Amino acid sequence: NAGVMQNPRHLVRRRGQEARLRCSPMKGHSHVYWYRQLPEEGLKFMVYLQKENIIDESGMPKERFSAEFPKEGPSILRIQQVVRGDSAAYFCASSTGQGFSGNTIYFGEGSWLTVV
Amino acid sequence: AQTVTQSQPEMSVQEAETVTLSCTYDTSENNYYLFWYKQPPSRQMILVIRQEAYKQQNATENRFSVNFQKAAKSFSLKISDSQLGDTAMYFCAFMKLEDMRFGAGTRLTVKP
Repeated sequence: NAGVMQNPRHLVRRRGQEARLRCSPMKGHSHVYWYRQLPEEGLKFMVYLQKENIIDESGMPKERFSAEFPKEGPSILRIQQVVRGDSAAYFCASSTGQGFSGNTIYFGEGSWLTVV
Repeated sequence: AQTVTQSQPEMSVQEAETVTLSCTYDTSENNYYLFWYKQPPSRQMILVIRQEAYKQQNATENRFSVNFQKAAKSFSLKISDSQLGDTAMYFCAFMKLEDMRFGAGTRLTVKP
């Protein structure tokens, strides 16, 4: 049973380019979360999605950032016109979304974005 | 929104000793989950232990145990017989339904 798969693991972009980070949840999981971890800091919630639906994007910057979780395929976190401050580790997590029936969130290994 | 506070940015402990990491949270909810995650230098996020708020009994996983004080909104992690491999960042997390929020983390160093 494969875990949460993120790719690419490392991505280098020049300022102004676009970055796309992909996340395939664990088998059977229909809920995806994206977190950002800046160097030497904790995880900051960005967005929570179900299939074809954004549940909570309160942690997402208003501009340049977007996320989707289509009916088929992985969840995508898209950062347009990247700036140096976007350099961070981006973690994806998934869950079954079954509320209090033993739900646990599992994390991928992260995608490291470096903006040069 | 729920907030999670870890007031100890860094801690150290001698190998084989016991250490306790603190976590407090703020919520008006009655039913929720609390977690401790470990992030070693490899940067993976590894689930250490989980506590359901409706359970009075403190969760235990081998050398890891929690002291859950619901009224005080406190959720500390005790690591017994510390090992060098326990060196990592430790994050406390609060989850209500599918919404999970993290504290800023505590960097634990186990010294030989």
